[in-house]
Amino acid sequence: NAGVTQTPKFRILKIGQSMTLQCTQDMNHNYMYWYRQDPGMGLKLIYYSVGAGITDKGEVPNGYNVSRSTTEDFPLRLELAAPSQTSVYFCASSYSTGSEQFFGPGTRLTVL
Amino acid sequence: GNSVTQMEGPVTLSEEAFLTINCTYTATGYPSLFWYVQYPGEGLQLLLKATKADDKGSNKGFEATYRKETTSFHLEKGSVQVSDSAVYFCALSDSTGAGSYQLTFGKGTKLSVIP
Repeated sequence: NAGVTQTPKFRILKIGQSMTLQCTQDMNHNYMYWYRQDPGMGLKLIYYSVGAGITDKGEVPNGYNVSRSTTEDFPLRLELAAPSQTSVYFCASSYSTGSEQFFGPGTRLTVL
Repeated sequence: GNSVTQMEGPVTLSEEAFLTINCTYTATGYPSLFWYVQYPGEGLQLLLKATKADDKGSNKGFEATYRKETTSFHLEKGSVQVSDSAVYFCALSDSTGAGSYQLTFGKGTKLSVIP
């Protein structure tokens, strides 16, 4: 049981490039989340999903897109990377809304 | 809207010292409260939680009591160890309507424990 896994661990992008951050969970959780963590700012919710095929915006969705084709996977897409997207990105999942969220180890992204 | 305010860090303590990290919240509903811990280079993991007023969450020697009258959920530990060095996040889970809940995090408090 690996829990929540994320790839890659680190990535450097140039302005305007695109990339996909991968997230997979093996706990059969319906709920999945993407957060970004900026220094001294806590975590901000980007997007979340309540099940396969259903996604919704969080607090800071601009510049990102998500999809949820399976229960296990919840990739986050950056289309035109900007320096403001330099951050650490965490994926999380939970059994139900309001229950404990399990976090992945994070992806550290730098946009130069 | 919802918000969580926790004490500014960093906090540096000697081993076996008493720890308090203050956390207060503002919520439109009746939230559940959490403390998450992030060890260096890792993701967040749940430390403890409380779901209703006067509940006490506890784990690994840490405790926090849900105080509705003061809208607080302060984290305490009687004797810290070097292994407790981490960033601690207070969070609340509140209804957004339509049966959905979201976590709102504080900014985090970095704790360093020195031998």
